[in-house]
Amino acid sequence: DTEVTQTPKHLVMGMTNKKSLKCEQHMGHRAMYWYKQKAKKPPELMFVYSYEKLSINESVPSRFSPECPNSSLLNLHLHALQPEDSALYLCASSQGGVQGDYGYTFGSGTRLTVV
Amino acid sequence: SQQGEEDPQALSIQEGENATMNCSYKTSINNLQWYRQNSGRGLVHLILIRSNEREKHSGRLRVTLDTSKKSSSLLITASRAADTASYFCATAAQYGNKLVFGAGTILRVKS
Repeated sequence: DTEVTQTPKHLVMGMTNKKSLKCEQHMGHRAMYWYKQKAKKPPELMFVYSYEKLSINESVPSRFSPECPNSSLLNLHLHALQPEDSALYLCASSQGGVQGDYGYTFGSGTRLTVV
Repeated sequence: SQQGEEDPQALSIQEGENATMNCSYKTSINNLQWYRQNSGRGLVHLILIRSNEREKHSGRLRVTLDTSKKSSSLLITASRAADTASYFCATAAQYGNKLVFGAGTILRVKS
């Protein structure tokens, strides 16, 4: 298995809702990432997990809460989001650490719309 | 900022022509990577070049790296309509803890 699987592919949520994004990989990669991408912009790093521990939080608002239950699974819990949080949320993993010496493997993303 | 800058922002060519995209960055790097993103989808890793390498090939892709000028180029030869996508360079700083993406080049290959 050489994929990163993200679910759901699309999500529409109200500003008072609580939802979660899920990311799974079975490549044995020990670094996992959440990126946020707005239209026509590059991906922006949100969180880095290394060996299941949060190693980087890029000053992301607390309405985004990451969780790494095990080495294969990464969640992003969403609560009280704003319309400007609408974006494509990408999960990625890498072998050999955050420098990506063998490249990052990305999921196909969750298209989030906050209404 | 470590973030790479890419040019051109957009490139439109005919099928069969070569496409060249450039990336510049500001800090010393460990490696530089190129990714492709089809519309609204995830990124696909194309090729990685390490700081001690100057050129690398993979199929129709050729990447060069000039660390003295802090720049890289991606050449796609004999382009196809399926190459239509956004292309991003990404850099891993020498003692950094993350991969940072450049602004990207939108490539359109007309058939």
